[in-house]
Amino acid sequence: AQSVTQPDIHITVSEGASLELRCNYSYGATPYLFWYVQSPGQGLQLLLKYFSGDTLVQGIKGFEAEFKRSQSSFNLRKPSVHWSDAAEYFCAVGPSGGYQKVTFGIGTKLQVIP
Amino acid sequence: DSGVTQTPKHLITATGQRVTLRCSPRSGDLSVYWYQQSLDQGLQFLIHYYNGEERAKGNILERFSAQQFPDLHSELNLSSLELGDSALYFCASSPTTVGNGELFFGEGSRLTVL
Repeated sequence: AQSVTQPDIHITVSEGASLELRCNYSYGATPYLFWYVQSPGQGLQLLLKYFSGDTLVQGIKGFEAEFKRSQSSFNLRKPSVHWSDAAEYFCAVGPSGGYQKVTFGIGTKLQVIP
Repeated sequence: DSGVTQTPKHLITATGQRVTLRCSPRSGDLSVYWYQQSLDQGLQFLIHYYNGEERAKGNILERFSAQQFPDLHSELNLSSLELGDSALYFCASSPTTVGNGELFFGEGSRLTVL
C-alpha cells in the first residue's frame, strides 16, 4: 500500500534561512507527488507537483522540490524563508487514477522566527 | 480564495446528534472530494463525487453519508456523532476525476462534538 512519511512534525527556522522539509513515500510504481501548504485558518493550496520529466520541480512562492527515486524522497526546499511561509506543509503521493487514491502525509508545521 | 465555499465554518454539537456540512465547488468543477483532518491522523479521504455520482469511498464511517446535487453543491451528513468525530472537514473540488491536476480546497468546517 502507498504511504507518505513526513518525519518532522514541527520545524523552526529563522527568517532568511534556507528550508528543507522531508518527505519519503512508498509506492509500487512511478508516483504522482504533491506538496500542499495550509496557512492558519485556510484550506490547502497546491505548491507544486511532479508527474514525470525533470526531477527538480519549481512551484509557487519560491518553493522547489526534488524527486529522488533511489531514495523514495520528494523533499521541499526554499533558499530563503519569509515570515509569511509559516504554515503547515503536506506531502502527498498517488497514482494517476484520481485524488481519491492520493495519500497525504501527516504534515510538517513550520515556524519562522525573526 | 480558492473559490470553494464551505459552511458552517464552526459547529459545536453534542454526542448523538446529526449535522450537515455544505460545500459549493468552484464554478465549473464537477468533482467534489471530502476529507477529514484530525490531529492524530492527518488528512483522510472520505468520499468523491463527480457530476452527481459517487465515484469512490475512502475511510468513511457508515454513520456518515454524502451527496452531490444537480447544481453540483455537496453535503456531508454526519449522524450519531461521537467525541472522536471532532475534526476539521474539508471539501475540495477539481474540474475532472483525474488526479494529475490541482485540488482546490475550501477553508473547512470545524466540528466539535461535546
